Order: sequence, then structure tokens, then C-alpha cells
Amino acid sequence: DIQMTQSPSSLSASVGDRVTITCRASQSIRSYLNWYQQKPGKAPKLLIYAASSLQSGVPSRFSGSGSGTDFTLTISSLQPEDFATYYCQQSYSTWTFGQGTKVAI
Amino acid sequence: QLQLQESGPGLVKPSETLSLTCTVSGGSISSSNYYWGWIRQPPGEGLEWIGNIYYTGSTYYNPSLKSRVTISVDTSKNQFSLKLSSLTAADTAVYYCARVPSHLNLPDYWGQGALVTVSS
Repeated sequence: DIQMTQSPSSLSASVGDRVTITCRASQSIRSYLNWYQQKPGKAPKLLIYAASSLQSGVPSRFSGSGSGTDFTLTISSLQPEDFATYYCQQSYSTWTFGQGTKVAI
Repeated sequence: QLQLQESGPGLVKPSETLSLTCTVSGGSISSSNYYWGWIRQPPGEGLEWIGNIYYTGSTYYNPSLKSRVTISVDTSKNQFSLKLSSLTAADTAVYYCARVPSHLNLPDYWGQGALVTVSS
């Protein structure tokens, strides 16, 4: 299986901050990388697919970049509703997810 | 509006078989544009893909679970189902069903999830 490693595992930030989360694959996954947001007690919500494509209805403050093995999710100006856990997921082969990054106040 | 709803027992004994059903409303499970999948999340942990099914019955399973998993579809009821056998406490998790656009190969819309606890 392809291992997905996110960093950091958690971070503290304030409203208005620029936040960057990194995801690294154990081998090249081209651009088959997706990002999800999960709030407590809720299902994950798709934010970004194919590394950089914004899912319909997702605010433009979310963006994704990268290819090959290294990817980033950026929130340009953190909003109160963005405090959540974020997961990356590769769909290049048997789906695997990162361990998650918790964004807290 | 698309809705996916998981249903099934919340408590199952070790060594027994977990059975969950996902009912799809607001859309047809027989659409050629989508697969349908199961993903689980142990309490406080990350996400693990279980498997996907197409309306024709074609299935794709996570190799790590393949020997214990069966996913089936009932197009007449607009439902698909998960069976996971030989349960242990490690199978305790929230089980999500999801829609998978065939052109994207990722879960883009998820049910609310069902907690299944494996305990005697």
C-alpha cells in the first residue's frame, strides 16, 4: 500500500491566519490526491480533488498544490468554521488516507 | 438532494458478521456515473477504505480486508450492503457509505455514518 504522511499532526491557529498542511506519499501518485475536512461527529467533506481542483461549493480560501509525492493544502485566511481535522487521500491505487491534521484554536 | 443513510446493528459479538445497509435517496444507484463505497473510521483514528461496488455488481475490495468482506447491491431497493465476517474488537468503528463518481474515483458524498461496536 501507498503510505500517506501528513504534517503537522495538529496545529494551533487564529482566525485570519494562513494555514498550510503537508501530505507526502511513499511513492509517486501523480496528481491523484484529494483533501477532506471532518468536523467532530460528522462525515468527511470533499474539499479538493486531483491535487488542486476545488470541489463545487467549497470556499476559494481553500487551495491545493503539488504532484508526485509532495502536496499541500492551504487555507488563505482561517475562518471560525474551518477548525476541524483535515485528511489527505490518494486514489492512485488502493485508496489510503493520511493520519489527519487537527486545526485548533 | 442526494442522501445516503447507513443502517444496521450497533453492537455485534466477536467472531460474528457485521451487516450494514446503505439506502440511497435523491438519486439512482443504477446510474452508470457512480460506484458506491464503504469506508470506516475507528474511534479517534483515521480513515480506512473497505471497498466499492458498481450497480452491475462488480466489486473492488481493500486487499487487507478482502478475505472477510462482501459488498452487494440491490438496485430494486436502491441499496447496497456490507458484510464483514470474523469480527474482532479492532473492527469497532464508524462505518460510512459513500458515492464515488466513476470519472474521479474518490468518495465525494458520504452518509452520516453508523457506529458499530464489537463486544461480547
